[in-house]
Amino acid sequence: GAGVSQSPSNKVTEKGKDVELRCDPISGHTALYWYRQSLGQGLEFLIYFQGNSAPDKSGLPSDRFSAERTGGSVSTLTIQRTQQEDSAVYLCASSLTGLLGTQYFGPGTRLTVL
Amino acid sequence: SQQGEEDPQALSIQEGENATMNCSYKTSINNLQWYRQNSGRGLVHLILIRSNEREKHSGRLRVTLDTSKKSSSLLITASRAADTASYFCATDAGGATNKLIFGTGTLLAVQP
Repeated sequence: GAGVSQSPSNKVTEKGKDVELRCDPISGHTALYWYRQSLGQGLEFLIYFQGNSAPDKSGLPSDRFSAERTGGSVSTLTIQRTQQEDSAVYLCASSLTGLLGTQYFGPGTRLTVL
Repeated sequence: SQQGEEDPQALSIQEGENATMNCSYKTSINNLQWYRQNSGRGLVHLILIRSNEREKHSGRLRVTLDTSKKSSSLLITASRAADTASYFCATDAGGATNKLIFGTGTLLAVQP
């Protein structure tokens, strides 16, 4: 079956611009996660959705980062006024229930802020 | 930082040899998972071991877990060139979110 998909696969933007990253989880998965992978910080958690609610936003690095999920499916991660330190690969994962289950990852979006 | 650590950071072996990677973590866990990543992109789930399990096998993979030492190991037997990748352990953070805390990763190179 279809896995987690993300778009775009690559995004180059200028400092100060806003960007939107999209994640389509596996159909039927209620839990959705965003992670970020950068050279200096490794793989780090950003935000968790259960359905359309985000009970854990503790990993969002600043108020420039926000995310939403609609219809219990697609999620969008928005970064406002991008900075060079936002350059990273943004990974989305989904899990059937979010309770001790396996997380399945998408291919990621590589964001480069010039 | 809660991030776990893996060693070695890099490992180079010949095809057919076994590869062992170790992971240490800092907090109590519900489960530990191993992932593989090729070319710095998507993570592929390999195996999950629960905190009440000590060893688990899947094909050429063998994972052990020692909760008293807060450590795990991943053994890949009879390695192939296609096993070349970065390998990460990830522990769940507990609580209600099941967010994963990743180790620093081991870069495995299997020479043909």
